Amino acid sequence: AQKVTQAQTEISVVEKEDVTLDCVYETRDTTYYLFWYKQPPSGELVFLIRRNSFDEQNEISGRYSWNFQKSTSSFNFTITASQVVDSAVYFCALSENDKIIFGKGTRLHILP
Amino acid sequence: GAVVSQHPSWVICKSGTSVKIECRSLDFQATTMFWYRQFPKQSLMLMATSNEGSKATYEQGVEKDKFLINHASLTLSTLTVTSAHPEDSSFYICSAGRLAGGMWEQYFGPGTRLTVT
Repeated sequence: AQKVTQAQTEISVVEKEDVTLDCVYETRDTTYYLFWYKQPPSGELVFLIRRNSFDEQNEISGRYSWNFQKSTSSFNFTITASQVVDSAVYFCALSENDKIIFGKGTRLHILP
Repeated sequence: GAVVSQHPSWVICKSGTSVKIECRSLDFQATTMFWYRQFPKQSLMLMATSNEGSKATYEQGVEKDKFLINHASLTLSTLTVTSAHPEDSSFYICSAGRLAGGMWEQYFGPGTRLTVT
């Protein structure tokens, strides 16, 4: 069974638009971590956020914000006022038993 | 802090040869290291988990005799792709994990791009 589902394979938006990347996860653990990573064309993973399963507070960091809802097993990521430099593949991931399992990723294109 | 390096960053080898990739935690001791493989336009797939001084645990479908993992110290793990074939061409990413302040932390290396000709 797929643990992390990113239903949006590819998204294109025009610069300055807001965009939300969806992530739905599945786990039987009561304690787990959720992550978002950015992977630019260089390939190196850029860590964006880690969220503990006990902390459902939403988080904002500059133009980035995350909405964690345990009731729907979702951990969505929103970029406000998108910029061309935001173009990348974004991975949502779940940590189980110290292993990080990745979703299939969403390729985001920000068009100038 | 918490930097993980990989060497080489890219390598081209001929079919049938073996290639070794190193993963180092530069400023911390990693009790566990993980190896991932990423094919073009796909996600990262966990290949194996290794603890220092122990045999690696491979994920289902990963050939342990083909992908040799050595975790000889708390700062170094190596992945050797033996008798490489073109289908082994991929982006290999390691990560190093540690327990810090009661929390598990994991850091990713920059990746190694392997091309087998």
